[in-house]
Amino acid sequence: AQSVTQLDSQVPVFEEAPVELRCNYSSSVSVYLFWYVQYPNQGLQLLLKYLSGSTLVKGINGFEAEFNKSQTSFHLRKPSVHISDTAEYFCAVTVRGSYIPTFGRGTSLIVHP
Amino acid sequence: SAVISQKPSRDICQRGTSLTIQCQVDSQVTMMFWYRQQPGQSLTLIATANQGSEATYESGFVIDKFPISRPNLTFSTLTVSNMSPEDSSIYLCSAVGLAVTDTQYFGPGTRLTVL
Repeated sequence: AQSVTQLDSQVPVFEEAPVELRCNYSSSVSVYLFWYVQYPNQGLQLLLKYLSGSTLVKGINGFEAEFNKSQTSFHLRKPSVHISDTAEYFCAVTVRGSYIPTFGRGTSLIVHP
Repeated sequence: SAVISQKPSRDICQRGTSLTIQCQVDSQVTMMFWYRQQPGQSLTLIATANQGSEATYESGFVIDKFPISRPNLTFSTLTVSNMSPEDSSIYLCSAVGLAVTDTQYFGPGTRLTVL
């Protein structure tokens, strides 16, 4: 079985500062990796995904993530955050051939003015 | 990507009553799912909604409490039966498309409060 660890439950940051949200996973088979964002009082929106190929993946809203197989990590980064990026961020892993992701517990990104 | 809508968006219910949540996708999809997200928590899969047959429930969830229907490839319902305050959660519908099968897309969620 696979598992996902989001090491930080909360990340406070000032506007225009860079941010990194950490995600590590464990799996004995090949996986797909995802980041979803949940804005207050909304559902989940796909930010980006890694299926194969280039390990640096660019998503919406200026976010990017890098797949590191040796570190089993898929950290999410943004060089300059905005107040509007305040949200809950979920890392998820799907075993190839499965439709059902395993979610991390989420990281709350809080952007201060 | 599939666009998913849910009704109602939120509701406040009395204990002992039932609520049916509807999920509509704008295109045909292979699989549909129902999740629960309790306050401040991550997502927990309730069941896979199978078209034309009984849903497949995850451990800890039973059909009597969470009956699910999926009459066609674009629509599903989840009923939360005999509700108690512990059922207060966000209920999310998700789907995997016919063409793009590697990604789940989510609806906006239904916020349920049980008094």
